Amino acid sequence: AQSVAQPEDQVNVAEGNPLTVKCTYSVSGNPYLFWYVQYPNRGLQFLLKYITGDNLVKGSYGFEAEFNKSQTSFHLKKPSALVSDSALYFCAVRPDSNYQLIWGAGTKLIIKP
Amino acid sequence: ETGVTQTPRHLVMGMTNKKSLKCEQHLGHNAMYWYKQSAKKPLELMFVYNFKEQTENNSVPSRFSPECPNSSHLFLHLHTLQPEDSALYLCASSHRPAGGAGTGELFFGEGSRLTVL
Repeated sequence: AQSVAQPEDQVNVAEGNPLTVKCTYSVSGNPYLFWYVQYPNRGLQFLLKYITGDNLVKGSYGFEAEFNKSQTSFHLKKPSALVSDSALYFCAVRPDSNYQLIWGAGTKLIIKP
Repeated sequence: ETGVTQTPRHLVMGMTNKKSLKCEQHLGHNAMYWYKQSAKKPLELMFVYNFKEQTENNSVPSRFSPECPNSSHLFLHLHTLQPEDSALYLCASSHRPAGGAGTGELFFGEGSRLTVL
């Protein structure tokens, strides 16, 4: 079965430090990859996506993500965390253009001052 | 402001009640979605509408009944729900090409928090 794994329920990072939120997937074909963020009591917001091309994708709020085909991973990164980055982050994968998104369970990111 | 508005934001209902959730998008998109979000679980896709036509129903119980009168409005009618249906219900919209799910991102509303007593 096709799936997306976010292996950490929660990630704690001190403000100013780099952060990584992990995502691995098991899908067929050449997938499209997405990250979304959900702030408290809000809906999800699109952060970035990988369709093709450069493996390093830059998105909103200074976030970036690296696609690694051999490791089937799409980790979200930011060089310097802000307290305001604290939120729930979802990885999602679309196996191909004719398929709906497969979602991870989410990772809660807590940035401490 | 994402361009997708959901009402009500909070709803408490008994198992015998009938209520409806409403979603409206001002983005000119042709596809609208209902998702169920439960804590620490992946989002569950419930229904997809493309140009007002339902294109997916992911084995959702009949106590959930969607309605899409036009490309800008989507409803989720609720009746005889169970306590396990308590969750955050998210509406989303996107541009979706004919015959495919597309590569574009989804735009979400802020959700309707449903509690079934």
